[in-house]
Amino acid sequence: AQSVTQLGSHVSVSEGALVLLRCNYSSSVPPYLFWYVQYPNQGLQLLLKYTSAATLVKGINGFEAEFKKSETSFHLTKPSAHMSDAAEYFCAVSGMNSGYSTLTFGKGTMLLVSP
Amino acid sequence: SQTIHQWPATLVQPVGSPLSLECTVEGTSNPNLYWYRQAAGRGLQLLFYSVGIGQISSEVPQNLSASRPQDRQFILSSKKLLLSDSGFYLCAWSVPGFVNTEAFFGQGTRLTVV
Repeated sequence: AQSVTQLGSHVSVSEGALVLLRCNYSSSVPPYLFWYVQYPNQGLQLLLKYTSAATLVKGINGFEAEFKKSETSFHLTKPSAHMSDAAEYFCAVSGMNSGYSTLTFGKGTMLLVSP
Repeated sequence: SQTIHQWPATLVQPVGSPLSLECTVEGTSNPNLYWYRQAAGRGLQLLFYSVGIGQISSEVPQNLSASRPQDRQFILSSKKLLLSDSGFYLCAWSVPGFVNTEAFFGQGTRLTVV
C-alpha cells in the first residue's frame, strides 16, 4: 500500500524567505505524487503533480517540487514566501484500491508566514 | 469546464439526528466520486468512492453511508449522528478510466454535531 509522510505539522517562515515543505513517500510501484493547498474552510486546490515525465515539477503560485527516488522524497519549495501563501499543504500519493485509483494524503503541514 | 458543487457549507446538528450532504459535478460524464473527512491534525480520510451509479465502496466502516442515485450526484448520509461525526467533509471527483490521476475537490461542509 502507498503512503506519504509529511515532516512537520507546522512550518514558520518570514515573508521573502525560502519555503520548504517535506514529503516522503512509500510505494511498491513507481508513484504518482501530488501537492495540494487548502485555505481555511475551503476545499483542496491542486498545486502540482508528478507523473514520471520530469523529476522537477513546476506548479501554480511559484511552487515547485522535485522527485528524488533515491530519497523517496517529493519536497515542495518556493524561493520567496508571500503572506498569501499561508495555508495548509497536503502531499498525496496515488494508488490502486480494489482496481480503482484513489489518493492517500499526508496529515498536512500548516505554513505560517510572518511579515 | 468541470465544476463541483457541495452543500451546505456549514451545518450544526444534534446528536441522533439524520444527515444528508449532497455533491454534484457538472461538465463531465461518469466521474469517479469520493467523500473524504478531514479532522484537525489527521489529514484526509477517504470514506467512500464510487465509479458509477449505485456502485459504492466503503473505506472505513462507520456511522455513515453513501449513495449515487444519478451519474453526477453523490450523497453522504447518516441515520443517527454521533459526536465523533463532527468534521470537515469534502467531496471530490476524478476523470474515469485513468489511473494515477488527480482529484478535484468541492468547497467542503463543516459539520458540527452538538
